[in-house]
Amino acid sequence: GAGVSQTPSNKVTEKGKYVELRCDPISGHTALYWYRQSLGQGPEFLIYFQGTGAADDSGLPNDRFFAVRPEGSVSTLKIQRTERGDSAVYLCASSAGLGASPLHFGNGTRLTVT
Amino acid sequence: DAKTTQPNSMESNEEEPVHLPCNHSTISGTDYIHWYRQLPSQGPEYVIHGLTSNVNNRMASLAIAEDRKSSTLILHRATLRDAAVYYCILPPSGTYKYIFGTGTRLKVLA
Repeated sequence: GAGVSQTPSNKVTEKGKYVELRCDPISGHTALYWYRQSLGQGPEFLIYFQGTGAADDSGLPNDRFFAVRPEGSVSTLKIQRTERGDSAVYLCASSAGLGASPLHFGNGTRLTVT
Repeated sequence: DAKTTQPNSMESNEEEPVHLPCNHSTISGTDYIHWYRQLPSQGPEYVIHGLTSNVNNRMASLAIAEDRKSSTLILHRATLRDAAVYYCILPPSGTYKYIFGTGTRLKVLA
């Protein structure tokens, strides 16, 4: 079946611009996660949703970052006034959200801020 | 939250078994132990998880110490395709917050 889909796969933007990154989770998965990964580092937790609500957004670095999941399926990560330090691979994962259900990751969106 | 400690890197010869260790001395009684791996240019993928008993699946085995303060991921016959970064993760029980550390980079030699 279809896995987690992230679009775009690559995004280049200028410093100060606004970007949106999209994640389509596996159908029926109630939990959705956003991570970002810099070169040579492990994925850094940003936020996770259980259904439509953000269950834990403690990893969002500052108020320029915001994520939504209005219908409990597709999610969008929004970054305002991008900075060069925001350049990274942004990963999305989904899970059935029950007990120790495994996370299924997409291949990420590579964001480059010039 | 339980902290995990893994070696930065390991090497193995192809077709030989590999034992990847993880220390988690502050684990609580209900924390599951999860392992993920990340191949180059891909998102992480689930490998295995367990609570107390040793676990086996088609990818690997997970051996959990009796006191649960450490665990070992076992790849029975390493292949070149197993070269990846392996992460040991303990999401706090009652939450689904998976925190990745820096993992162990496994190099498989032909």
